[in-house]
Formats: sequence, C-alpha cells, structure tokens
Amino acid sequence: GAVVSQHPSRVICKSGTSVKIECRSLDFQATTMFWYRQFPKQSLMLMATSNEGSKATYEQGVEKDKFLINHASLTLSTLTVTSAHPEDSSFYICSATRTYEAFFGQGTRLTVV
Amino acid sequence: AQTVTQSQPEMSVQEAETVTLSCTYDTSESDYYLFWYKQPPSRQMILVIRQEAYKQQNATENRFSVNFQKAAKSFSLKISDSQLGDAAMYFCAYRSPDDSWGKLQFGAGTQVVVTP
Repeated sequence: GAVVSQHPSRVICKSGTSVKIECRSLDFQATTMFWYRQFPKQSLMLMATSNEGSKATYEQGVEKDKFLINHASLTLSTLTVTSAHPEDSSFYICSATRTYEAFFGQGTRLTVV
Repeated sequence: AQTVTQSQPEMSVQEAETVTLSCTYDTSESDYYLFWYKQPPSRQMILVIRQEAYKQQNATENRFSVNFQKAAKSFSLKISDSQLGDAAMYFCAYRSPDDSWGKLQFGAGTQVVVTP
C-alpha cells in the first residue's frame, strides 16, 4: 500500500524557536496533503490543506503566520511551527490521499520547553 | 457542514467476544464515503474499513464489518472475535464526494479496551 512518511517522529525545542516537520508520499504523487493536530485522547483536528504549487488553505482559527505550510513538490509538504510556545506542544499528523483512501504519516510529537 | 458523532468514549470487550461501535453523521449529500480508522498506541492511523454510500451491501474485512443504515445516517463497526491487538482508538470518518482533495471529517473517537 501507499506510504506516507513523516519526520521527525519526536522533537523538543525551546520556546521562541521554529520547528519544521516534513511529510513525504513515498510511492505516489500527492497534489494535496492535509495537516492535523491531535490533543491527548481527542480526535484529529484539521489545521490546513496543503496544495502543491499554491498557498495552503487554513481552517478557521488556525494562525497562518504561526503554522507555515510549504508544498514545493508532488511528494513533499512541510509544516513549520514558528516562534513556538509551550501551548503549541501537541501531536501533528499529515495525510495524503490516493484515489479514495487517505494515508497517514506516523505523526510528530512536538514538545516546546 | 457534515458532522460525525461517536457517542461512546470507551468500550470494553473480552477476548474472542464481539463489540459494536456506533457512529452517526449528518449530511445532506446522497453520495459520500465513510471510513473507520484505528489508532493504536503507536498513534499510526490505520484504515480498517471503507463504505461507499451508493453501495447497499455492508462492507466487511475479515473480523471487521459495518452496519450501514443510510436512511438513519448510521455507520456502526462490529469487531468479531476480538483480539488484544484490537485495543486502540477507533475513529469514524466522512468524506464528501464533492471534495476532490479527500478531506475527512472525523468523529471524537471510541477507545476500545480488550481484556484477556
């Protein structure tokens, strides 16, 4: 089956710094990828839709300037958390859709100290 | 906008027994896709089963089957012969056919606990 790889799986950063998370579709081209945020024991909350070659579409309430998304190629989308604060600590998951099925990355646990 | 409701925060089942997870959704569309995803402690999302709304036949995948009631907008998941490896969070998800990007709307999730 299709594989989506997300890196890093865990990251700890200092408050005020920026962190980049990568999402790659390994065996198919993904013109669209999705970024989700998940709090403990809660559902996945869609943050933004990443479109190759164009600006991302952000969900209501998501700060565009804090969560920068770049989809520079058909196999790579990146999420950069800028000027991270402890409240940005969370689990971030990306997904890419092929035909009718969504494939998910392994997720990234971000801890801001 | 479509909403997906999972009213059971947690379900407990003994090994080899059967458990049914409920999911209801609200939509005005006639054609759509429904999914059940499993999220084990590793937190990797895994597709369990998929149902196309235009298909009357309920989908099955080995020990997993759904009861799709379109008129009632209900999409329950039955796990038969439960195994310890089935312990996970299960999410019901809806996808609109008009969304060519494949955006999913998730329910709140149901934690399945399997006891020996």
